[in-house]
Amino acid sequence: KNQVEQSPQSLIILEGKNCTLQCNYTVSPFSNLRWYKQDTGRGPVSLTIMTFSENTKSNGRYTATLDADTKQSSLHITASQLSDSASYICVVSAGDMRFGAGTRLTVKP
Amino acid sequence: DTGVSQDPRHKITKRGQNVTFRCDPISEHNRLYWYRQTLGQGPEFLTYFQNEAQLEKSRLLSDRFSAERPKGSFSTLEIQRTEQGDSAMYLCASSLVSVETQYFGPGTRLLVL
Repeated sequence: KNQVEQSPQSLIILEGKNCTLQCNYTVSPFSNLRWYKQDTGRGPVSLTIMTFSENTKSNGRYTATLDADTKQSSLHITASQLSDSASYICVVSAGDMRFGAGTRLTVKP
Repeated sequence: DTGVSQDPRHKITKRGQNVTFRCDPISEHNRLYWYRQTLGQGPEFLTYFQNEAQLEKSRLLSDRFSAERPKGSFSTLEIQRTEQGDSAMYLCASSLVSVETQYFGPGTRLLVL
């Protein structure tokens, strides 16, 4: 069983709308949790990184939250743009990096 | 800062052939990682180097796979006697020991026919 589970597997929204992606993990203890954006055919690009003591981190229209008690993280995207269409991968670091399978987001005009 | 580069970006080969991929990390980064990613999945760790030393290898890295980083700068990943199951995106990432954020390259997409 994957120690990092993401939901939904895929999501389609209209341009301008907000959305929230979920990440549940069982890795413990961990040093930090990252969200990456991966465009089709490209390598992942880091969006946010949070240590276990941080609750929220923003990067422009992206806001990540972390609840270390429930072992849940979310990535909220505000006012979505067509260029937000990508896979969003949750990664938990515990010595090594544990990757979720990603959520495939499609933003339609 | 030119980022992490990988070469080639795409490779098509016949089953049984050998292939070699190259990764050039960000110049001051002393850690270099190799991952494999199949469609719809997150990257899977293969191996990583700190300078020229290969410190960890995943059990995913069968005997047909070998990675080197001879001078602690660029790295190569060789797959011998390729199989159709080797078809995937091979990603390279680099980081500083002191900062855990990994910077990924664009990947090499391998198709084994």
